[in-house]
Amino acid sequence: DVQMTQSPSTLSASIGDRVTITCRASRTISTWLAWYQQKPGKAPKLLIYKASTLESGVPSRFSGSGSGTEFTLTISSLQPDDFATYYCQQYNGYPYTFGQGTKLESK
Amino acid sequence: EVQLVQSGAEVKKPGESLKISCKASGYSFTSYWIGWVRQMPGKGLEWMGIIYPGDSDTRFSPSFQGQVTMSADKSINTAYLQWTSLKASDTAVYYCARRAITVAGTSPFDYWGQGALVTVSS
Repeated sequence: DVQMTQSPSTLSASIGDRVTITCRASRTISTWLAWYQQKPGKAPKLLIYKASTLESGVPSRFSGSGSGTEFTLTISSLQPDDFATYYCQQYNGYPYTFGQGTKLESK
Repeated sequence: EVQLVQSGAEVKKPGESLKISCKASGYSFTSYWIGWVRQMPGKGLEWMGIIYPGDSDTRFSPSFQGQVTMSADKSINTAYLQWTSLKASDTAVYYCARRAITVAGTSPFDYWGQGALVTVSS
């Protein structure tokens, strides 16, 4: 299985901050990487796929980059609605493994 | 509108069997894969497996192979996840999700069910 490692596990930030979350794959996955946002008690929501393509309806303050084994999710200016847990997922090959999650909390 | 509506919360005893469902609407059920994701209390997401309702082709994570069964009933646009003998460690929220269609042939989950809480306790 491809292991996905996110950092940090927890991130404290303020409204308006630029925030970056990193995801590393244990072997190359090209750009077959997605980012999801999950709020407490809710299902995950797809934000970005193919490493950098924004899902329809997702605000443009979210962006993704990377290829191979290293990827980032950036929120350019943090908004109140963005406090949540974020997961990366590789879909290069089965099983489509998730990172352990990054909890974005208010500083 | 694409929707995945899951069955309700379940409380079971260890050793009991269980089948939870995921009813799809708003798209061609037999043309998209449906996956299952586990989230144990306070923990992250775990990819369990995926089924193609068109021909019932399934792929499992090694962690879940032999522990659960996935199936689909095309006549009622419903996917299922089943256990024959539950353990306390199966306590979790289980999500179904649709795998998006892309030219590349591989894709993430674009639509999710609301989740089904399964509690296994004596």
